Amino acid sequence: AQTVTQSQPEMSVQEAETVTLSCTYDTSESDYYLFWYKQPPSRQMILVIRQEAYKQQNATENRFSVNFQKAAKSFSLKISDSQLGDAAMYFCAYRSQNSGNTPLVFGKGTRLSVIA
Amino acid sequence: EPEVTQTPSHQVTQMGQEVILRCVPISNHLYFYWYRQILGQKVEFLVSFYNNEISEKSEIFDDQFSVERPDGSNFTLKIRSTKLEDSAMYFCASSAGTGGPLQETQYFGPGTRLLVL
Repeated sequence: AQTVTQSQPEMSVQEAETVTLSCTYDTSESDYYLFWYKQPPSRQMILVIRQEAYKQQNATENRFSVNFQKAAKSFSLKISDSQLGDAAMYFCAYRSQNSGNTPLVFGKGTRLSVIA
Repeated sequence: EPEVTQTPSHQVTQMGQEVILRCVPISNHLYFYWYRQILGQKVEFLVSFYNNEISEKSEIFDDQFSVERPDGSNFTLKIRSTKLEDSAMYFCASSAGTGGPLQETQYFGPGTRLLVL
């Protein structure tokens, strides 16, 4: 079974600075997707960024980018120019590419605080 | 932009009562999911649903749980006899189908916060 590990329960960053959230995963599969979801205090799950395992290029969405290291099974999220609205719980998630409805496997999350 | 909706946003119930949580997935999506998140813990998969039947379920999804797509838009999760430990946030999610990362990405609803007393 796949597992996702987020080793940083809490992180903080100064507004306008850059922060990196860590995620590692364990799998024997070669085809999969990785995701970062954001959960603000409202507790809604919001997709931040997605990475396909077959792509070597790291995904980027505006201020959010990932460092995907397939051999190391590492998938970190970098937030640049941090804003107060970035304060949230961030979950790393894994999904097999085997079929259309494979469930997501989540890590325990990292709580990010942004300091003004 | 289309989104997944869930009702109610909050539900308080007495132990042993039945609850039905409702979800309206994104209209052209074919795959539906329920997840739950006990306060302070990670999000856990409950069940996936496709073509009017359960595709996969976790060990959490025991006989007390059932899912249904009663019409063309709603997707429901029923807990037959609630227990204290069912108190959690329940998320519905949907995805379009197979064939690539965009189609296979799951989009989440805002959740239903269930409190069992």
